[in-house]
Amino acid sequence: EDQVTQSPEALRLQEGESSSLNCSYTVSGLRGLFWYRQDPGKGPEFLFTLYSAGEEKEKERLKATLTKKESFLHITAPKPEDSATYLCAVPAGPETSGSRLTFGEGTQLTVNP
Amino acid sequence: KAGVTQTPRYLIKTRGQQVTLSCSPISGHRSVSWYQQTPGQGLQFLFEYFSETQRNKGNFPGRFSGRQFSNSRSEMNVSTLELGDSALYLCASSARGVQFFGPGTRLTVL
Repeated sequence: EDQVTQSPEALRLQEGESSSLNCSYTVSGLRGLFWYRQDPGKGPEFLFTLYSAGEEKEKERLKATLTKKESFLHITAPKPEDSATYLCAVPAGPETSGSRLTFGEGTQLTVNP
Repeated sequence: KAGVTQTPRYLIKTRGQQVTLSCSPISGHRSVSWYQQTPGQGLQFLFEYFSETQRNKGNFPGRFSGRQFSNSRSEMNVSTLELGDSALYLCASSARGVQFFGPGTRLTVL
């Protein structure tokens, strides 16, 4: 069964204090790994898709990386507006099963000014 | 392009009632997926529709059902509501493997 585990569950940072969030996955044949950001009471907002080990993608203060067993979301010099829950997800099932994502529990990030 | 829209945004029902939620995907997207999000279980997949056909189904009881129309708009229905059905229901439309989520419908069952 596909599994996605995120750590830590919660993270408090001071503005400007860089850190990383972890997403470990167990899937039979990775067909991509997705990062989303979710603000309270809103739907997840797409950030990145990574498809192969060694791949990296960047957006403003965020950089996502992928290995064969895990992905990291690096946050450089965060600002209070980066406070949110960050979710990672993998497509579940065989390639013909369409769109079905298995999500981790998320990391709740708080950046204090 | 306009994003995924969901109506209503908030809903309060009592146990035993039924409810219908609506989702309009991003223009051109033919796949619509539904998820339930609760504090205890996180985001869980309900089902996916593509070209009016259910292509995928999660592990939810038969009280949860859905359909998709020819214009790709989708509805999900929950019959005989239970207290545990209180959740944020999210709809996502996808293209080229990426799912884009709507704002969700917050359902409260009293």
